[in-house]
Amino acid sequence: LAKTTQPISMDSYEGQEVNITCSHNNIATNDYITWYQQFPSQGPRFIIQGYKTKVTNEVASLFIPADRKSSTLSLPRVSLSDTAVYYCLVGAFKAAGNKLTFGGGTRVLVKP
Amino acid sequence: DTGVSQNPRHKITKRGQNVTFRCDPISEHNRLYWYRQTLGQGPEFLTYFQNEAQLEKSRLLSDRFSAERPKGSFSTLEIQRTEQGDSAMYLCASRDRDNPSTDTQYFGPGTRLTVL
Repeated sequence: LAKTTQPISMDSYEGQEVNITCSHNNIATNDYITWYQQFPSQGPRFIIQGYKTKVTNEVASLFIPADRKSSTLSLPRVSLSDTAVYYCLVGAFKAAGNKLTFGGGTRVLVKP
Repeated sequence: DTGVSQNPRHKITKRGQNVTFRCDPISEHNRLYWYRQTLGQGPEFLTYFQNEAQLEKSRLLSDRFSAERPKGSFSTLEIQRTEQGDSAMYLCASRDRDNPSTDTQYFGPGTRLTVL
């Protein structure tokens, strides 16, 4: 599975937009990009998944440039409850039995 | 509640004891996964089942660890002769049948194991 690199931590303030960029230079043709969110003492929660261009849902947007070597998770107008660890994962999940390989994640702290 | 449930939520044991955790996946999900997460790290894959068949085991799963899913529904993870290094959060996840529109895993709240 392609290795990912993302910032260790980010601070933001309520109401701001938070953008987390993940690098995945060795992404393969069949790989998808998936983001999970994890609160303390809880299991990770799926946020969004994409293959190319832009994907948007009620929680976030995912921007993927044409070369797919990076991706950016965008959280609009964050609140204190968005304080969590965000994981970027890359892989051909179905081909690999759908097992997930997590990196260290990005710890996002939203301040009042 | 139709999410993934895990029991117990917390377990404290002494080194050398055996422990068993249970995971109840979302009912229609045929794939079930176990992960381990230590403090400050992301979850690490341990093993997964498709129905009752255990299809893959990580090298992290030493011979002291055993997982079962006897009827293709709930699963148990047993650790024998626990060591302090086994202290971690043990997470279970389940996934729907192969369906391109539901290619995500749903995680339970985890079982936090502390080995004294």
